[in-house]
Formats: sequence, structure tokens, C-alpha cells
Amino acid sequence: GENVEQHPSTLSVQEGDSAVIKCTYSDSASNYFPWYKQELGKRPQLIIDIRSNVGEKKDQRIAVTLNKTAKHFSLHITETQPEDSAVYFCAASIRGKLIFGQGTELSVKP
Amino acid sequence: EPEVTQTPSHQVTQMGQEVILRCVPISNHLYFYWYRQILGQKVEFLVSFYNNEISEKSEIFDDQFSVERPDGSNFTLKIRSTKLEDSAMYFCASSVTEENIQYFGAGTRLSVL
Repeated sequence: GENVEQHPSTLSVQEGDSAVIKCTYSDSASNYFPWYKQELGKRPQLIIDIRSNVGEKKDQRIAVTLNKTAKHFSLHITETQPEDSAVYFCAASIRGKLIFGQGTELSVKP
Repeated sequence: EPEVTQTPSHQVTQMGQEVILRCVPISNHLYFYWYRQILGQKVEFLVSFYNNEISEKSEIFDDQFSVERPDGSNFTLKIRSTKLEDSAMYFCASSVTEENIQYFGAGTRLSVL
């Protein structure tokens, strides 16, 4: 079936360290992979996305990598700051519908 | 910057009552979605809508749920007879094309008592 697995469920880092969140998807038809950041009680906000014809994409401190063969994609945040603390969701798009991972609660300690 | 707007922000209802959640997607978007998020859990797809009809729906979207675009701007989700387990945050989203960025509204928190 259509499923996205996300790890870890919680991640605690020191300010300035890097954070990596990993996802695996099941449906090989997926070709669009967004990452959303959700602060407590707020809407999911897109932070970066990648399409299946690209292996890596970077936007300042945030990067995403995609391995289509292995059906893995990862979010990398460098030089983390306390304001990066939030829940991060990966998703895989199948015919437009987003299948979300379970979320990673990132805590950046000053 | 254009936003997806949702009303109300919080809806409290009694079990068995009908509720209608309202959304105004971004004006030039053609694809519309409803998702729900039970407290502390992941966001789950409910339904996608394009060209005035449902494109796809999940197992959650049973015959108690319906969607409608009654005019050129609103997109509504109706739950006919609410159950306790319908309590969740409901997010509307819209996108220009099927495989494009989906912008989420701020959500409606539905509490079924």
C-alpha cells in the first residue's frame, strides 16, 4: 500500500549542530517529495521540496536528497538554531495526494 | 502573499450533528484537498477535488463525508453525523497543478462531544 516511514520520531541537537531526518516511501509512482515544518498549533509550512528527476536540492541551511532506487529521501539542516525547533513531516505525492510520514519532533537546545 | 483561509478556526459540536467546514483556496489554484490531523499524529489525506469532482478519496472519507465547491471561491467539507473519533484538526490545501506545492490553511479544530 501507500506508506511513508519517517525516522527518528524525536531528535534533540545542540544549537549549531546538524540534524538529519530520513524517510522511506513505498509507491514507486511517487515523483514529488515535499518537507513541511509544523509549529505547535499551526499549519504545515513547506520548507523544501524535490522532484524525482533531481537527486539533491539545497536552500541555505536546508538540503534534501533523494535516492529513487532505494526509495529514500532525507532532510538535512545545518547550523541549527532554536527557531528550527518544530515537528517536521516528509511526504510523498501520489497523483497529487500527499502521504505523510509520522513526523519528527526536532528540539534545538541553545 | 495569497493564503488558503479556513473558517471557523474552532468548531464544537455534539455527536450525531452535521458540521460544515469552509475553505477559500488560493484564487488561481485548481486542485483542492482536505486532510485531517488527530492530536499528536501525522497528517492524513482525506480527499482531492478537481474540475468539480472528487479525484481520489481515502478510506477515512466514507459516506458520512462529502465535499462541495458551491461557488467560484468556497470549498467545503461536510460531515453528516459526527462521531467522537472525528475530533481532529482539519486542513484544507490547494495547488496550481496536481504535482505542485500544496499550500495549507490554518485549519479548523473540530471537537465532537
